[in-house]
Amino acid sequence: QKEVEQDPGPLSVPEGAIVSLNCTYSNSAFQYFMWYRQYSRKGPELLMYTYSSGNKEDGRFTAQVDKSSKYISLFIRDSQPSDSATYLCAMKEAGSYQLTFGKGTKLSVIP
Amino acid sequence: SAVISQKPSRDICQRGTSLTIQCQVDSQVTMMFWYRQQPGQSLTLIATANQGSEATYESGFVIDKFPISRPNLTFSTLTVSNMSPEDSSIYLCSVEERRDGYTFGSGTRLTVV
Repeated sequence: QKEVEQDPGPLSVPEGAIVSLNCTYSNSAFQYFMWYRQYSRKGPELLMYTYSSGNKEDGRFTAQVDKSSKYISLFIRDSQPSDSATYLCAMKEAGSYQLTFGKGTKLSVIP
Repeated sequence: SAVISQKPSRDICQRGTSLTIQCQVDSQVTMMFWYRQQPGQSLTLIATANQGSEATYESGFVIDKFPISRPNLTFSTLTVSNMSPEDSSIYLCSVEERRDGYTFGSGTRLTVV
């Protein structure tokens, strides 16, 4: 079993839809959780960075962490065509610099 | 957040040759990281580069294949040596930012023919 599982998609939604992206993990030592957005031919761009279980909101984006279930989510409200990208989850242990990534979910938002 | 400039953005290389990728950061950072992103695969950490010391390589990566330099606090290079088609990938440098996670460069897309 891989440390981080992420459905690669592709996921296609109409403009304005609510998007839910998810990752599960097996390492209970993971304490820090991140979501990155990667446009084609670009490097990953940090969207959300969370530590504790619960929700963190930033504009149209909400990151949710459930450590008891080893499950994290990213919700995108009122999705826009400009949200079309690959979304990567990443996580790391406390005191470690090494990020463990999911494979990424490719999202297309159709106008 | 830090701004990372990575060169070249892409290259097509002959097998058996080497390519050096440069990473320049607009602020001083202690640690710089090099990742590989193969098609359909997760980003994988190759090594961590600290200024003034040898790079630390992750399992499966060796210095002879991926020599790294870190001459100062804003610059690092990664060389992909004796390339084969299996080295075709995107190579990314990254830095850690306090409270803000990790920032990545735009990547170097390498094709080995």
